[in-house]
Amino acid sequence: GQQLNQSPQSMFIQEGEDVSMNCTSSSIFNTWLWYKQDPGEGPVLLIALYKAGELTSNGRLTAQFGITRKDSFLNISASIPSDVGIYFCAGQLGGSQGNLIFGKGTKLSVKP
Amino acid sequence: GAGVSQSPRYKVAKRGQDVALRCDPISGHVSLFWYQQALGQGPEFLTYFQNEAQLDKSGLPSDRFFAERPEGSVSTLKIQRTQQEDSAVYLCASSLASRHTYEQYFGPGTRLTVT
Repeated sequence: GQQLNQSPQSMFIQEGEDVSMNCTSSSIFNTWLWYKQDPGEGPVLLIALYKAGELTSNGRLTAQFGITRKDSFLNISASIPSDVGIYFCAGQLGGSQGNLIFGKGTKLSVKP
Repeated sequence: GAGVSQSPRYKVAKRGQDVALRCDPISGHVSLFWYQQALGQGPEFLTYFQNEAQLDKSGLPSDRFFAERPEGSVSTLKIQRTQQEDSAVYLCASSLASRHTYEQYFGPGTRLTVT
């Protein structure tokens, strides 16, 4: 099935660092969402974006809906150990019934 | 308040067995979605209900997969004659029927292993 291109695939964080990840698509999306998934759990919604250019924050998280409507990024500022996990972007195509298309995820781990 | 719940959390089935996976959505949520998540991948859409009506089943991989939501609340995903390639985590999500339909809230998933 169709998936979004999410990068990086994985990254290591040190406490206090800022983290950035992004998602791109060849298709135009009406909605972008960012989720975090911990092992053995379902994805948890972090941020939802509805308009091109929209910039939304949720605590230390900031996400933007790209102007072209084909991309989005997520920034995490001043990372803490509990930020580790897998982050997924998800988008909704125009004309769909609401089902989401997901990226393959960005895995955040702690630097050894 | 209570989130989306799914049962069982883990299921081991022998190849050829039928399985039934249950989803209890958030109370009052009209829309319900099923997704399949293979190891190391993002979730992939299977099917969508609005109340009891199944409006989209385009993601179901074969006619062995069947979903229902007869009273517009609890939903069951049934897989007949399971195959090894059916091994995955099956996620259920629900959302309000509003402008923010796309804010989907996920359950913990059912991990299905077919041996």
